[in-house]
Amino acid sequence: DIQLTQSPSSLSASVGDVVTITCRASQNIGANLNWYQHKPGKSPRLLIFGAYGLYSGVPSRFSGSGSGAEYTLTISSLQPEDFATYYCQQSFSAPWTFGQGAKVEI
Amino acid sequence: EVQLVQSGAEVKKPGESLRISCKTSGYTFRDYWINWVRQVPGKGLEWVGRIDPTDSWTDNSPSFEGRVTFSIDKSISTAYLHWTSLRASDTALYYCARRLRGGAAPHDDYWGQGTLVTVSS
Repeated sequence: DIQLTQSPSSLSASVGDVVTITCRASQNIGANLNWYQHKPGKSPRLLIFGAYGLYSGVPSRFSGSGSGAEYTLTISSLQPEDFATYYCQQSFSAPWTFGQGAKVEI
Repeated sequence: EVQLVQSGAEVKKPGESLRISCKTSGYTFRDYWINWVRQVPGKGLEWVGRIDPTDSWTDNSPSFEGRVTFSIDKSISTAYLHWTSLRASDTALYYCARRLRGGAAPHDDYWGQGTLVTVSS
């Protein structure tokens, strides 16, 4: 199975900050990497697909980058509604594993 | 409008069986796999497995092998997650999500609201 390790696991940030979350895979996953936002009591929300693709309706302050085995989610100017847990998931090969999550707190 | 609507919360005893559902609408059912994802309280997301609505082919995560099965009813565009003998460790929130079959950058774009399964004696 492909293992995904996110860093940091949690972070404290303020409105307006630039936030960067990294996802490292145990092997090259060829940009088959998605990012989801998850808030308590809500369903996960797709943000980025295929490492770089901004999903429809997602604000442009979210962006994805990376290649090979290392990927990054960047929030360019953190907004109050962005406080949540963020997960990466690889779609290179089943089982489609998730990272352990990165909690963004005030 | 695409919708995935899951069945309601369940409270079961260890050893009991259970089936939860994910009713879909607003798109062509056979064009998308249905994935199941688990979240144990206080923990992260885990991929449970998937089912292909075209032929009911299924694929489990090794972590769930032998614990759960999947099925579909094409006539009502609904997917199911089954347990034959629940354990306390199955207590979790279970989500269904759709993923385009054969897409270039596979991803889960629409999710159900989640079904809370509680297993307790």
